[in-house]
Amino acid sequence: EDQVTQSPEALRLQEGESSSLNCSYTVSGLRGLFWYRQDPGKGPEFLFTLYSAGEEKEKERLKATLTKKESFLHITAPKPEDSATYLCAVGGSEKLVFGKGTKLTVNP
Amino acid sequence: ETGVTQTPRHLVMGMTNKKSLKCEQHLGHNAMYWYKQSAKKPLELMFVYSLEERVENNSVPSRFSPECPNSSHLFLHLHTLQPEDSALYLCASSQAAGYGYTFGSGTRLTVV
Repeated sequence: EDQVTQSPEALRLQEGESSSLNCSYTVSGLRGLFWYRQDPGKGPEFLFTLYSAGEEKEKERLKATLTKKESFLHITAPKPEDSATYLCAVGGSEKLVFGKGTKLTVNP
Repeated sequence: ETGVTQTPRHLVMGMTNKKSLKCEQHLGHNAMYWYKQSAKKPLELMFVYSLEERVENNSVPSRFSPECPNSSHLFLHLHTLQPEDSALYLCASSQAAGYGYTFGSGTRLTVV
């Protein structure tokens, strides 16, 4: 059974304080690993897709990396507007399997 | 209009009412999904449609009834709901089942 575990559950950072979110996974036949951002009361917004170990993608202050067992979402010099819940998901069969998310709060 | 559109954005209904949630995608995707998201809980998959055929029904109570008349439209018919059904209902679509999703903005449902 495909599984995704995200850590930490919640993370508080000061503006400018860089950190990383972790997504550990097990999947049969990885079709892709996906990162989403979700703001309260809204649908998740797509950030990145990673397909193979060693792959990296960047967007503004965010950088996603992938190994055979986990993915990291690195946040460099975060701003308060980066506050959100970040979801990780893996695709292996008929559906994506989501983690519970990491709620990030960036204080000014 | 592009992306995944859900209507209504907010819905308040009594336990004896019947209502429907609508989802429309203009991305040319072949798979569509319904998810439930309750406060402080992870996304719960409800239904998966691939090429208009239901491929998964995740033990969802019969008071939730999905309908997929074509690859662009997905409905969730609601009847005799319970207060614990109050949640954010999210629709998503993907190129094919198991690939990356595009989500709608969700319908915030409150059952009174």
